[in-house]
Amino acid sequence: ETGVTQTPRHLVMGMTNKKSLKCEQHLGHNAMYWYKQSAKKPLELMFVYSLEERVENNSVPSRFSPECPNSSHLFLHLHTLQPEDSALYLCASSQAFTTGEYDGYTFGSGTRLTVV
Amino acid sequence: DAKTTQPPSMDCAEGRAANLPCNHSTISGNEYVYWYRQIHSQGPQYIIHGLKNNETNEMASLIITEDRKSSTLILPHATLRDTAVYYCIVRAVNTGNQFYFGTGTSLTVIP
Repeated sequence: ETGVTQTPRHLVMGMTNKKSLKCEQHLGHNAMYWYKQSAKKPLELMFVYSLEERVENNSVPSRFSPECPNSSHLFLHLHTLQPEDSALYLCASSQAFTTGEYDGYTFGSGTRLTVV
Repeated sequence: DAKTTQPPSMDCAEGRAANLPCNHSTISGNEYVYWYRQIHSQGPQYIIHGLKNNETNEMASLIITEDRKSSTLILPHATLRDTAVYYCIVRAVNTGNQFYFGTGTSLTVIP
């Protein structure tokens, strides 16, 4: 365990389904991120939350809807997805705007999503 | 943040040192060099970072050239479990800037 826990690890859903991915961190961080990694492609930053407010949304389709109810939890709500949305979805957390030198990310193990 | 260039793939014999290069010729004075790695289908894992001095930890060593335009990550005794994609990222610290991962170097450790 890295301190960032993602559930479920694997998810298969139909195009008409609604599902949610969950991310939880116990590191005392105050920034959380969703990344998407399609097969043989670089990680794509999807959403950024800092102090529970969304600060970045990289032109992600509205069928992906993030929610950050508190600094420890992050959700990604999914609805009417397409097969091309099949990917590894990674959550990360960090301490935003620290006074220390290291402000890198801690990643979860990801959710492998397959849309059928 | 400055762009980095890495070779797409490398091989290394098990037990030998793996030296992974990274070019970052447009790096700014306030940008650090970070290295992460991603083992297949897992989340990226932090390895090491540095500004201008060489750094060493239990995982690896980071050698940064004096002009800071390139760096090398050294895994001193590569094992099969070091097979992964290694990402070199330059980023200004404490700016709120995000980590953007490129394509990295796919390192294969050969028995």
